[in-house]
Amino acid sequence: DAGITQSPRHKVTETGTPVTLRCHQTENHRYMYWYRQDPGHGLRLIHYSYGVKDTDKGEVSDGYSVSRSKTEDFLLTLESATSSQTSVYFCAIKGQGARRIPGELFFGEGSRLTVL
Amino acid sequence: TQLLEQSPQFLSIQEGENLTVYCNSSSVFSSLQWYRQEPGEGPVLLVTVVTGGEVKKLKRLTFQFGDARKDSSLHITAAQPGDTGLYLCAGGMDSNYQLIWGAGTKLIIKP
Repeated sequence: DAGITQSPRHKVTETGTPVTLRCHQTENHRYMYWYRQDPGHGLRLIHYSYGVKDTDKGEVSDGYSVSRSKTEDFLLTLESATSSQTSVYFCAIKGQGARRIPGELFFGEGSRLTVL
Repeated sequence: TQLLEQSPQFLSIQEGENLTVYCNSSSVFSSLQWYRQEPGEGPVLLVTVVTGGEVKKLKRLTFQFGDARKDSSLHITAAQPGDTGLYLCAGGMDSNYQLIWGAGTKLIIKP
């Protein structure tokens, strides 16, 4: 158990409404990531964080914003949800790697979002 | 654009058969990871390979990193229903801490 919890696990909302997904970790890891997973696309990085208040964009960041005010919490916000944002969202933390060996990613159980 | 192409996208075989899943790219990676994901859960790391030509075994699963570090394969011997899942490869670059993900191979092992 890597100590990652995502909330909510399931959400149905309407187009145009704001949505916030929360990722909470108990492991004090520096790096945290938000991915979305859609059939045929694998995992696509939305945003990531490398410390408190330090965040950067991933490959599919349009329409999403993030915040990290505490080490343990990484929030993903959809300011105005669209149907194209219907997806399963995964939060991940990065474990400690070694020389030339990247750290393992530990994933939460996912948040399934449906935008009607 | 860096891409990792996985093949096949879907594979359904009988228990006891052998299979190989491939992960190919035109880019060179410093490392490659394989994850397995079960329905309703997040991916879980199976192995990390970092040296060209490296072979790692995990019980009935054999992972190989290509000599040029552009491709990798996962071979399962005598597949079992418990091997069912989505297998994802992810390539790492020294220059940043992001991973390049393949689209996944959905594997079903029928009893």
